[in-house]
Amino acid sequence: QKEVEQDPGPLSVPEGAIVSLNCTYSNSAFQYFMWYRQYSRKGPELLMYTYSSGNKEDGRFTAQVDKSSKYISLFIRDSQPSDSATYLCAIKSERGSTLGRLYFGRGTQLTVWP
Amino acid sequence: GAGVSQSPSNKVTEKGKDVELRCDPISGHTALYWYRQRLGQGLEFLIYFQGNSAPDKSGLPSDRFSAERTGESVSTLTIQRTQQEDSAVYLCASSLDSQYFGPGTRLLVL
Repeated sequence: QKEVEQDPGPLSVPEGAIVSLNCTYSNSAFQYFMWYRQYSRKGPELLMYTYSSGNKEDGRFTAQVDKSSKYISLFIRDSQPSDSATYLCAIKSERGSTLGRLYFGRGTQLTVWP
Repeated sequence: GAGVSQSPSNKVTEKGKDVELRCDPISGHTALYWYRQRLGQGLEFLIYFQGNSAPDKSGLPSDRFSAERTGESVSTLTIQRTQQEDSAVYLCASSLDSQYFGPGTRLLVL
């Protein structure tokens, strides 16, 4: 079983829709949870970062972590064509440190059409 | 300021040849990571450098892969006797806290 599972999609939605992206993970030792956005032929860029259960909001983006279910989500409100990209969840485990390797999901390819 | 840079951006090589990929991290970032991304896949961890500590090499897939880092600056990833399955995008990230990625080197082994 992979450490992090993510449905690769593809996911296609109309502009203005609410998008829900999800990952599950297997190891309860994971402490830090991240979402990266990757445009075609670019490196991943960090979108959201959280280390606790609950919700964290940043503009149109909300990251949600449920440690009891080992489930993380990213919601995008009022989606825009510029949100079209691959979204990768990433998790790390080192307690007390934000350094260390990340475990990535496969990424979900999102297309928002006008 | 300048982000993480990688060179070359693209590399085409023949099976059996050696290749060297370069990463210039963000100045002052103590940690540096290499990942591999195969087509349609997530990022696969290769190696991690943190200051003067021994690197975490646990992700290197075979002894054909090696990496070095000089202090807290440039790192090179070397793949010897390349195979077709080595074709992928090789991504470098540097970190003080969160990881910031370079644009990657696209390697194609013919």
